[in-house]
Amino acid sequence: AQTVTQSQPEMSVQEAETVTLSCTYDTSESDYYLFWYKQPPSRQMILVIRQEAYKQQNATENRFSVNFQKAAKSFSLKISDSQLGDAAMYFCAYKRGLTGTASKLTFGTGTRLQVTL
Amino acid sequence: EPEVTQTPSHQVTQMGQEVILRCVPISNHLYFYWYRQILGQKVEFLVSFYNNEISEKSEIFDDQFSVERPDGSNFTLKIRSTKLEDSAMYFCASSEAMTGEETQYFGPGTRLLVL
Repeated sequence: AQTVTQSQPEMSVQEAETVTLSCTYDTSESDYYLFWYKQPPSRQMILVIRQEAYKQQNATENRFSVNFQKAAKSFSLKISDSQLGDAAMYFCAYKRGLTGTASKLTFGTGTRLQVTL
Repeated sequence: EPEVTQTPSHQVTQMGQEVILRCVPISNHLYFYWYRQILGQKVEFLVSFYNNEISEKSEIFDDQFSVERPDGSNFTLKIRSTKLEDSAMYFCASSEAMTGEETQYFGPGTRLLVL
């Protein structure tokens, strides 16, 4: 079974600084997708960024980028120029890459990010 | 921008009562999911649904749970006889089919409290 591990329960960053959230996963599959979701206090799950395992290039989305190390099964999220609105719980998630099937997301336990002035 | 909607946003019920949580997935999506999140814990998969049948279900999704797509837009989760431990946030999600777009988009959730 696939597992997702987030070893940092809490992180703190100063406004305008950069922070990196860690995620590792375990799978025997070769085709899969990885995601970062943000959950603010409203508890809505908001997609931040996604990465296809077959793509070597790291995904970027404005201030958010990932460092995807397939051999190491590592998928970290870097937030640049942190803003107060980035404060939230961040979940790393894994999905098997079986196109055309309803395969589930497996989530990590989350990292709570605090942004300070 | 299309979004997944869920009703109600909050539901309080007595133990043993039946609840139905409703979701309207994004209109061109064909894969539907329910997840739950007990307060302070991670998000857990319950069930996935495609072509009017369950694709996969977790150990949590026992006989007390059922899902249905009663019409062309709604997707429901029914809990037949609620337990205290069913208190959680329930999220509906949907994704496209057959396009390679694997992203699941989540609704705002229904906060269920069982007393």
